[in-house]
Amino acid sequence: GAVVSQHPSRVICKSGTSVKIECRSLDFQATTMFWYRQFPKQSLMLMATSNEGSKATYEQGVEKDKFLINHASLTLSTLTVTSAHPEDSSFYICSAHLGGTEAFFGQGTRLTVV
Amino acid sequence: QKEVEQNSGPLSVPEGAIASLNCTYSDRGSQSFFWYRQYSGKSPELIMFIYSNGDKEDGRFTAQLNKASQYVSLLIRDSQPSDSATYLCAVSGLDKLSFGAGTTVTVRA
Repeated sequence: GAVVSQHPSRVICKSGTSVKIECRSLDFQATTMFWYRQFPKQSLMLMATSNEGSKATYEQGVEKDKFLINHASLTLSTLTVTSAHPEDSSFYICSAHLGGTEAFFGQGTRLTVV
Repeated sequence: QKEVEQNSGPLSVPEGAIASLNCTYSDRGSQSFFWYRQYSGKSPELIMFIYSNGDKEDGRFTAQLNKASQYVSLLIRDSQPSDSATYLCAVSGLDKLSFGAGTTVTVRA
């Protein structure tokens, strides 16, 4: 199946710093990628839809100035958590759709803000 | 009302038994339905998708879809300890997937 690679898999940062997470589609072009956040024992919550060459679409309640999304090419989307705080600690997952609506997920990034 | 609802679980079944997972959705116009398996600390992986009413079988997994009842289910036959995971139901809308909260399955050896 299609492969989506996410990096890093785990990151620990100090409160107030920024963290960048990369999501790459390795063997297909993805005009749209999705960013999710998952807190322990909860389901995936869509944060934003990343569109190549245009602004991301954020879900209600997600601060676009805090979670910066850049989709500069057909194979790469990045999520930057700016001025991270402990409450931003979570599991962040990206996905891309191949063809129809079947989603392929990256490996996820475990962010811990200390 | 949540867009996608799953039976809350957790669901504990003995090894070799059938695990039955249920999911209902609110958008009658939904066209595509997916079951993902998520192991603890990992991202979801697709195990089944179904588009048409009826049953779809893939190995030990069977997905069932009833659009009139807005209901989709997943059966896991001959459950194995390696099937222990959280199973997420996902429904495709216009431009995104909506996920249920997941049902955690534990297969007892």
